[in-house]
Amino acid sequence: TQLLEQSPQFLSIQEGENLTVYCNSSSVFSSLQWYRQEPGEGPVLLVTVVTGGEVKKLKRLTFQFGDARKDSSLHITAAQPGDTGLYLCAGASGGGADGLTFGKGTHLIIQP
Amino acid sequence: EADIYQTPRYLVIGTGKKITLECSQTMGHDKMYWYQQDPGMELHLIHYSYGVNSTEKGDLSSESTVSRIRTEHFPLTLESARPSHTSQYLCASSLAGDWNEQFFGPGTRLTVL
Repeated sequence: TQLLEQSPQFLSIQEGENLTVYCNSSSVFSSLQWYRQEPGEGPVLLVTVVTGGEVKKLKRLTFQFGDARKDSSLHITAAQPGDTGLYLCAGASGGGADGLTFGKGTHLIIQP
Repeated sequence: EADIYQTPRYLVIGTGKKITLECSQTMGHDKMYWYQQDPGMELHLIHYSYGVNSTEKGDLSSESTVSRIRTEHFPLTLESARPSHTSQYLCASSLAGDWNEQFFGPGTRLTVL
């Protein structure tokens, strides 16, 4: 069974600070995705990384896929209250068959 | 903006009732999924479908059943609801391909008394 471990589970910081959350596994994934979920809603896809070592930027968010395609990180620069939410990483095994393997998520609160 | 809909959004019912959770998407995606999410826990795949007349069980054992008679519609049914079925149910769809990028509906919060 493939597992994705996310850390930290909870993070509360002040507006303007920087932060990094991590997603680690002992398994190799063909791609890794990051989603953001707000209370009472379904997850929304932020980014997909597919190549080992790949870095993608989405405004103040920087996503990196590990060289061995087993881990990923999300870095937020100058966090804002609108960044508050549950951040989920999810891995695809390839072949387009089954659904995704999800981590438990990082609950992020940005205080004004 | 993804066009995937779930109804009802919230449902409170008594033990033993039969229920159907509806999920529809207007994107023409072949692949559809049902996940179960409990507070503080990861999403668990309970059913998926590659297309019309295709249904498969996911990683998490579930007493629910699904059907896929039309591309856009993927309902989930519980014949006899129990308190252990209380959870958030999320429907998703994706394009064909290896990446499985998924578009999620808003979810149905089910409470069985």
